[in-house]
Amino acid sequence: EIVMTQSPATLSVSPGDTVTLFCRASQSVASSLAWYQQKPGRGPTLLVYGTSTRATGVPARFSGSGFGTEFTLTISNLQSEDFALYFCQQYNNWPPLTFGGGTKVEIK
Amino acid sequence: EVQLSESGGGLVKPGGSLRLSCVGSGFSFSTYAMNWVRRAPGKGLEWVATIGGRAANGYYADSVKGRFTISRDNSNNTLFLQMSSLRDEDTAVYYCAKGWRGERSFFDYWGQGTLVTVSS
Repeated sequence: EIVMTQSPATLSVSPGDTVTLFCRASQSVASSLAWYQQKPGRGPTLLVYGTSTRATGVPARFSGSGFGTEFTLTISNLQSEDFALYFCQQYNNWPPLTFGGGTKVEIK
Repeated sequence: EVQLSESGGGLVKPGGSLRLSCVGSGFSFSTYAMNWVRRAPGKGLEWVATIGGRAANGYYADSVKGRFTISRDNSNNTLFLQMSSLRDEDTAVYYCAKGWRGERSFFDYWGQGTLVTVSS
């Protein structure tokens, strides 16, 4: 099983900031990495797949990069609606499909 | 517009059973693999099970293998999760999620979730 590790667990930032979220895989997942956003009481929504391809309707301020075992999600010019929980997921090796533990982006 | 709507959650005693349902609309339901993913209180997301579009095979996390069964009724655009021998650690919000392409995939649409609480 591929273990996904996200860091940091929490980011305290201000609107307008740029933040970088990290996701590490225990072994290579090539570019088979997705990012999701989740807000309280709602299901997750897909942000990025294939490491760097934004899902339909996702603003350009979200950008993903990386390959193999190290990945990042950068959010530029943070908006109020971006304060949420973010998860990464690998889909290169399965079963099982595995998720990181999440990073909470909160208002400072 | 793609929509997924789960139902069937509730309070159940350890050792009990529950059946979750998820109705999909806005896409060709039978064409896509469908999945169940859960999130326990204070924890991250955990993949539970996947079923292919033609319902030929189900795939399961080790934590639920032998206790949960995923199935689908393509004529009614409905996904199911039959849960038995439930344990405290199965307490979670259960989401159904549409696979983008094939069984080994990310999830492009999710439902709002249904809460399952296992407690005596």
